[in-house]
Amino acid sequence: QVQLQESGPGLVKPSETLSLTCSVSGGSIKNYYWGWIRQPPGKGLEWIGWIYYTGTTKYSPALESRVTFSLDTPNNQLSLKLISVTAADTAVYYCARLGHFDEGRGRYSPDSWGQGTLVTVSS
Amino acid sequence: ETEMTQSPVTLSATPGERATLSCRASQAVSTYVEWYQQKPGQAPRPLIYGASTRATGVPARFSGSGSGTEFTLTISSLQSEDFAVYYCQQYYVWPRTFGQGTKVEAK
Repeated sequence: QVQLQESGPGLVKPSETLSLTCSVSGGSIKNYYWGWIRQPPGKGLEWIGWIYYTGTTKYSPALESRVTFSLDTPNNQLSLKLISVTAADTAVYYCARLGHFDEGRGRYSPDSWGQGTLVTVSS
Repeated sequence: ETEMTQSPVTLSATPGERATLSCRASQAVSTYVEWYQQKPGQAPRPLIYGASTRATGVPARFSGSGSGTEFTLTISSLQSEDFAVYYCQQYYVWPRTFGQGTKVEAK
């Protein structure tokens, strides 16, 4: 059974860069889409984007000027970088495997999630 | 961006009761809707894909329906482990968007 674990600094200063890693165990990152979703404390969920194992990416228009995804295939890891952070970027950040294929609709959806990691933006 | 609006915000119910949660999309999304359950301190758990298909391992008491702009998640007989926050999400257009959630709490 695949397991995902997010890691990174819990505290980032405003205007700096938020960097997170998602380590995947029990399966390969190959042949899958991988998503990043975040959730501000006490609030709802927001898609940041996804990355395919080939490196193709798609970002939310609200964040695409500041966010970059990457892969480290030999180490079975994916990464997120978000530049110029503000307090509004304070959230629990989740990585997810988009392992469910909806044949009728031609879409991939999350079937496995990490536990999430809280990142606070504060000076 | 397609806005998803859920109602009610909070639903108070007792075990054994039927719970009906609603989700409305700001534009038609066909049946490209998923439902997730989230408990405190946990990641969301997929419940329903394609508006009405249960995810693997989801009990039959959970059912989804709807198309276009109106969707419903029904829990036929609430169990204690069902008290949680439920989110709908459209995946018809990018970016995928979630509703704000419905909290199902014990009365």
